Amino acid sequence: DGGITQSPKYLFRKEGQNVTLSCEQNLNHDAMYWYRQDPGQGLRLIYYSQIVNDFQKGDIAEGYSVSREKKESFPLTVTSAQKNPTAFYLCASGNGAISGANVLTFGAGSRLTVL
Amino acid sequence: GQNIDQPTEMTATEGAIVQINCTYQTSGFNGLFWYQQHAGEAPTFLSYNVLDGLEEKGRFSSFLSRSKGYSYLLLKELQMKDSASYLCVSMDSNYQLIWGAGTKLIIKP
Repeated sequence: DGGITQSPKYLFRKEGQNVTLSCEQNLNHDAMYWYRQDPGQGLRLIYYSQIVNDFQKGDIAEGYSVSREKKESFPLTVTSAQKNPTAFYLCASGNGAISGANVLTFGAGSRLTVL
Repeated sequence: GQNIDQPTEMTATEGAIVQINCTYQTSGFNGLFWYQQHAGEAPTFLSYNVLDGLEEKGRFSSFLSRSKGYSYLLLKELQMKDSASYLCVSMDSNYQLIWGAGTKLIIKP
């Protein structure tokens, strides 16, 4: 079955450590996204990529980095520069349906806790 | 600025009907989405409206009024599995998504 796989589902990190969250899709989607979800807030866009080897910063890119070396993969690194990294991270891909807009398919999420 | 407003929480009874309202202010408009998100899980797409009016899809319907910057999601014949958060999402003129904080719907027997 086609879908998006995020790993790990739960991750604990000590302050000062970098961590990388994996996101793999087999939907053949060109566009991929990383969002952060915090209680009481809407999803906030961290980075997005519309094509391989290209990506753009979202609204809250500081302290994060990404790569898009393959169409299927869009890993997110949470660096030690991110001041408040504890959150639920969601990866998504877009099929470009509905008049050029993307209906997003999401992975199951990765919950990062900084100890 | 761009903003989405929707109630934080609503409670309804199994078998009943509930309407979740959403108002939006965005720079231009290219459509309004509704997503469902069960606790700790991924959001899943429910509906998309770009023209005024009501779109019906089974037990769920979504309405849009562009002149009022208003949408609602109507859920009929509520089931316990409908307990979830419902996210209202507007798309601006640059096709960027503006997400609401979500409405947590609690279904009681």
